[in-house]
Amino acid sequence: DTGVSQNPRHKITKRGQNVTFRCDPISEHNRLYWYRQTLGQGPEFLTYFQNEAQLEKSRLLSDRFSAERPKGSFSTLEIQRTEQGDSAMYLCASSSRTLGTEAFFGQGTRLTVV
Amino acid sequence: GQQVMQIPQYQHVQEGEDFTTYCNSSTTLSNIQWYKQRPGGHPVFLIQLVKSGEVKKQKRLTFQFGEAKKNSSLHITATQTTDVGTYFCAGFRQAGTALIFGKGTTLSVSS
Repeated sequence: DTGVSQNPRHKITKRGQNVTFRCDPISEHNRLYWYRQTLGQGPEFLTYFQNEAQLEKSRLLSDRFSAERPKGSFSTLEIQRTEQGDSAMYLCASSSRTLGTEAFFGQGTRLTVV
Repeated sequence: GQQVMQIPQYQHVQEGEDFTTYCNSSTTLSNIQWYKQRPGGHPVFLIQLVKSGEVKKQKRLTFQFGEAKKNSSLHITATQTTDVGTYFCAGFRQAGTALIFGKGTTLSVSS
């Protein structure tokens, strides 16, 4: 399967714990996005990488959230000191260099904070 | 910051009726994309519009990009039960910026 891969698919954690999610984009894609989606809402932009550079980060993103994309390949999203409000589906998407090409989404990681 | 709004939030139709969802941006967009998300699935790309006033068709789906490049619409003719899902518009403010999604319109179809 050469699509966008996200791990784990599900994560249940206790409030206050740290969690880390991984995204493996389509290999030739240089753009990588992280979104958060809650029930009945659209994907909410979190952050965006072009190669290894983090070009944009949502102002809604607290300092408990951090993302990396070492070497411009896979990416990780870490949430520190999780809160119940962090419960959501975390989606990763990738696209190619050319402006406006379609974003391919992974299946997402569903986080539940108890 | 850039906001992309969609209306209506929900729409229920009888099979065979038409459906339209509207997308409006607070800023001019370099282009706009439409995605469909089936229940339990992830967003899947449908189409991209780039030019002012552009109209594209995919079978029963018609997509329009406004003259000012700040609004767009998706029209489905003679809906089918397979059209069920949530339709999102998404846009780039300018080249090299992030892809921002609207909140979506959820379509339900009864036969």
